[in-house]
Amino acid sequence: NAGVTQTPKFQVLKTGQSMTLQCAQDMNHEYMSWYRQDPGMGLRLIHYSVGAGITDQGEVPNGYNVSRSTTEDFPLRLLSAAPSQTSVYFCASSYRTDEKLFFGSGTQLSVL
Amino acid sequence: AQKITQTQPGMFVQEKEAVTLDCTYDTSDPSYGLFWYKQPSSGEMIFLIYQGSYDQQNATEGRYSLNFQKARKSANLVISASQLGDSAMYFCAMREGSEYGNKLVFGAGTILRVKS
Repeated sequence: NAGVTQTPKFQVLKTGQSMTLQCAQDMNHEYMSWYRQDPGMGLRLIHYSVGAGITDQGEVPNGYNVSRSTTEDFPLRLLSAAPSQTSVYFCASSYRTDEKLFFGSGTQLSVL
Repeated sequence: AQKITQTQPGMFVQEKEAVTLDCTYDTSDPSYGLFWYKQPSSGEMIFLIYQGSYDQQNATEGRYSLNFQKARKSANLVISASQLGDSAMYFCAMREGSEYGNKLVFGAGTILRVKS
């Protein structure tokens, strides 16, 4: 009964480093997405996917890359980390558009 | 223009009393959905309630109800009989249209503190 699993929970990067945030769901959900949460701004959509092989940009896609090779996995890649990417990142999934999003527990990322 | 506006940065409520958290939204799409999520200090996002734009009745889930006023474009969350465990950040969110993907736009949130 895992739901949406995100790893790692915490990460510290230096400016310019790259890394991948992992997200996996075991509910056979079609839709998956990545959000970032910054203080005072709520959550903002980075990228989303409506099925394996299909991804698209959200509100704040710059500096991030995604791919969806399987239904279960939706990794988020930071290409060259910047301090402005310090944030809490949430992965989410749902079966249909009118259903609630199931969220992972979040990744707290600090870029120094 | 802000798509989702939560005008109350912080609210206090006495335990066992009801509280209303405000949310107004802006969309020209006739098909949309409105969600409320709770984020306790532990950080997880917990789904509370959903209202579709074509739903005739206001949504209810246990102690949570959504006061949906379509003409005013408001979707206020009402929590009845507040409990100490209700202290958290509350987010209103909207999905526009029924097309491609389940993309939500979130408000900035309201911090609720329940006093004993």
